[in-house]
Amino acid sequence: GQNIDQPTEMTATEGAIVQINCTYQTSGFNGLFWYQQHAGEAPTFLSYNVLDGLEEKGRFSTFLSRSKGYSYLLLKELQMKDSASYLCAVRDSNYQLIWGAGTKLIIKP
Amino acid sequence: IAGITQAPTSQILAAGRRMTLRCTQDMRHNAMYWYRQDLGLGLRLIHYSNTAGTTGKGEVPDGYSVSRANTDDFPLTLASAVPSQTSVYFCASSLTANNEQFFGPGTRLTVL
Repeated sequence: GQNIDQPTEMTATEGAIVQINCTYQTSGFNGLFWYQQHAGEAPTFLSYNVLDGLEEKGRFSTFLSRSKGYSYLLLKELQMKDSASYLCAVRDSNYQLIWGAGTKLIIKP
Repeated sequence: IAGITQAPTSQILAAGRRMTLRCTQDMRHNAMYWYRQDLGLGLRLIHYSNTAGTTGKGEVPDGYSVSRANTDDFPLTLASAVPSQTSVYFCASSLTANNEQFFGPGTRLTVL
């Protein structure tokens, strides 16, 4: 079967760094996506990785290892507005997105 | 219209009733999708359409139908609603099936 695993909830302090991990087992791999979803709102696109390695976008970085079926989202200089759920999704061999249940990130002052 | 819109925002529906959730995008995206999101579960794909005139079944299609008569609109119909269809429904679109998806604001549906 297809499976995306991420921690259910994480807590971090404002100004700190947090890493959210995602492991996957899917039928085929055509890229991995990270989305942010604030409570009561729609998911919004953060990043896309299809090749191994690290990609940096301002305070957010994403890493992918296809051989290990592993990705992480790294958030630096945390701000209160970063409190949200972070969704990991893998595009499978049918070009459909398989979604993890999301990681709820709580930022404390 | 700017982006992708959904209607209604929320709805309470009696079991057995028919309901159509509307989704419209003005980005000229070829691909559109319907997902449901339930607490503790990831987004699950109900139906999708890679281009106007074509549709396909996702992971949880039973009890739902869709049509794609033109590029902009992708309505989702529940023929006879059941309580297990209580959920938040998101419509999404992407330029093609290879691109990132943009989501509508969602419809919160409660079936009693």
